Amino acid sequence: IAGITQAPTSQILAAGRRMTLRCTQDMRHNAMYWYRQDLGLGLRLIHYSNTAGTTGKGEVPDGYSVSRANTDDFPLTLASAVPSQTSVYFCASSRDPQDTQYFGPGTRLTVL
Amino acid sequence: AQSVTQPDIHITVSEGASLELRCNYSYGATPYLFWYVQSPGQGLQLLLKYFSGDTLVQGIKGFEAEFKRSQSSFNLRKPSVHWSDAAEYFCAVGAITGGGNKLTFGTGTQLKVEL
Repeated sequence: IAGITQAPTSQILAAGRRMTLRCTQDMRHNAMYWYRQDLGLGLRLIHYSNTAGTTGKGEVPDGYSVSRANTDDFPLTLASAVPSQTSVYFCASSRDPQDTQYFGPGTRLTVL
Repeated sequence: AQSVTQPDIHITVSEGASLELRCNYSYGATPYLFWYVQSPGQGLQLLLKYFSGDTLVQGIKGFEAEFKRSQSSFNLRKPSVHWSDAAEYFCAVGAITGGGNKLTFGTGTQLKVEL
């Protein structure tokens, strides 16, 4: 059982560059989420998708965009990266929006 | 809006000792409550959850938590800590809204276990 996979594992990126973080789940979960984790701040929700074809904004959506073309994939795009987006990014999924969320291993992103 | 407070940033316990990690939440309705654990460099693993029913919830790895509505708390406990329990622990509260399940996390408690 793979669960949730994220790619890349880590990335160093120059400011101003475009970057897409990938997230794939094989559990046929309807809902998916993107969080960022920063020291002393816990995890904060960036964007979510309750079902394929729909997305919504979380607590810290600025500078990020998502798409949900199918059930399995939920990519997160930074159109023009800035140093404040240096963080660890976690993708999560749940069977339905009200169910328990399961997390991927994370992507460590450094923007210089 | 919901919020979660984990008042202890760091806790150190001796192996074999009992453990209690505190979590207080703020939410207007009945909350959905979770405890997750994160080992270094890893993702978050669900320890236990409370949706409704019995207020004492059993989880994996010998952990339990008790929902106390009167105190707005959901403290995590373990009677005897093992060295492998050293990790960061996150409490989270979920609110079911029109936009789905919004999880709000606490800032975490780092647990160190002394041998």
